[in-house]
Amino acid sequence: SAVISQKPSRDICQRGTSLTIQCQVDSQVTMMFWYRQQPGQSLTLIATANQGSEATYESGFVIDKFPISRPNLTFSTLTVSNMSPEDSSIYLCSVEQDAATDTQYFGPGTRLTVL
Amino acid sequence: SQKIEQNSEALNIQEGKTATLTCNYTNYSPAYLQWYRQDPGRGPVFLLLIRENEKEKRKERLKVTFDTTLKQSLFHITASQPADSATYLCALDGDTDKLIFGTGTRLQVFP
Repeated sequence: SAVISQKPSRDICQRGTSLTIQCQVDSQVTMMFWYRQQPGQSLTLIATANQGSEATYESGFVIDKFPISRPNLTFSTLTVSNMSPEDSSIYLCSVEQDAATDTQYFGPGTRLTVL
Repeated sequence: SQKIEQNSEALNIQEGKTATLTCNYTNYSPAYLQWYRQDPGRGPVFLLLIRENEKEKRKERLKVTFDTTLKQSLFHITASQPADSATYLCALDGDTDKLIFGTGTRLQVFP
């Protein structure tokens, strides 16, 4: 099983600023995923990050707002740019547990509050 | 568009009873359906996967059923314990090969 850590675990930020969330995996993985979980909502996939290529964003999410880096096979970052209170959410990274069935290991999440 | 519905109201049951959670979906025929557990302040943890050609899957005190005609999955926890208290999410493979999650149902088991 993969062990995933995220930093920071939580943060409170001011409107208009940016926050970079780090995700570290204890093994090499091809794909890493970033999700958002807003209060009372389901997990929503933001983007898929492959090492060595541009991240693939889901509908409703754009690179300017959520730039992603994937410098190697064990690490990724997600930046939430020019934040507004609507960006307050839990952000989770995950990796595939089984590529055939898309089951995933999740990190502990980053709880972001934007004032 | 594909939609997954889970009861948003919390399910409160007494210790020792069987908890049953429901997951309904529309506008799609998934090849498999997954259940995850999420504790407060933690990421979801995978529990069980059931395929479209399977009617039932068991793992210790957990049982999942999958009715593709009704477009429904039921998740059962037998002999429930307070430690089973958590939010349970169902997820299915969407038509873009990405997981789609329900909003989850919070289970509270009272001693």
